[in-house]
Amino acid sequence: GDSVTQMEGPVTLSEEAFLTINCTYTATGYPSLFWYVQYPGEGLQLLLKATKADDKGSNKGFEATYRKETTSFHLEKGSVQVSDSAVYFCALSDRDGATNKLIFGTGTLLAVQP
Amino acid sequence: AAGVIQSPRHLIKEKRETATLKCYPIPRHDTVYWYQQGPGQDPQFLISFYEKMQSDKGSIPDRFSAQQFSDYHSELNMSSLELGDSALYFCASSLGGRETQYFGPGTRLLVL
Repeated sequence: GDSVTQMEGPVTLSEEAFLTINCTYTATGYPSLFWYVQYPGEGLQLLLKATKADDKGSNKGFEATYRKETTSFHLEKGSVQVSDSAVYFCALSDRDGATNKLIFGTGTLLAVQP
Repeated sequence: AAGVIQSPRHLIKEKRETATLKCYPIPRHDTVYWYQQGPGQDPQFLISFYEKMQSDKGSIPDRFSAQQFSDYHSELNMSSLELGDSALYFCASSLGGRETQYFGPGTRLLVL
């Protein structure tokens, strides 16, 4: 079945460092891809999405490009802030059914130090 | 903008008790999804409803049932609770079964 693999955390960075969180997927067909962020004690917030190959999703300085040839959707940010500390989940939409249930990766904890 | 509302936010139950979690989708959203997130785990899909009909089923135990009502809100009923049911339960909604899902803040269930 469909699956998502994320790099394991925690990822610890200093403020203003460059961030990459790797995400690869396995899917039949052409899923949409998402990054969700979960701040401590809170729910999941949609960070960005891409619905087809070569699409680039972006939001709040974060970017990810849907790469069909490498089945990847890596999350990047040029300069992280302490407020970016959270758990980041990569997800794909499984279209095998009437609704698009999401399949998540295991999440990557990002800790940004001042 | 209005978001997904879940109630209660926190719930403590004893083993073998029942629990009911409620979800109010974003206005005009017709599709509701339920996910379970165990401690340190990724969210796992439980069940979804589209236009008040059950649509897809994931790893939902037989002890759990859910429905979507005429006003599109949904309830997840959990019976014979077990310690392993302790988790964060998320509801998400979308406009149409193929569109982006927006998540509620979750209900944290603790079974003692």
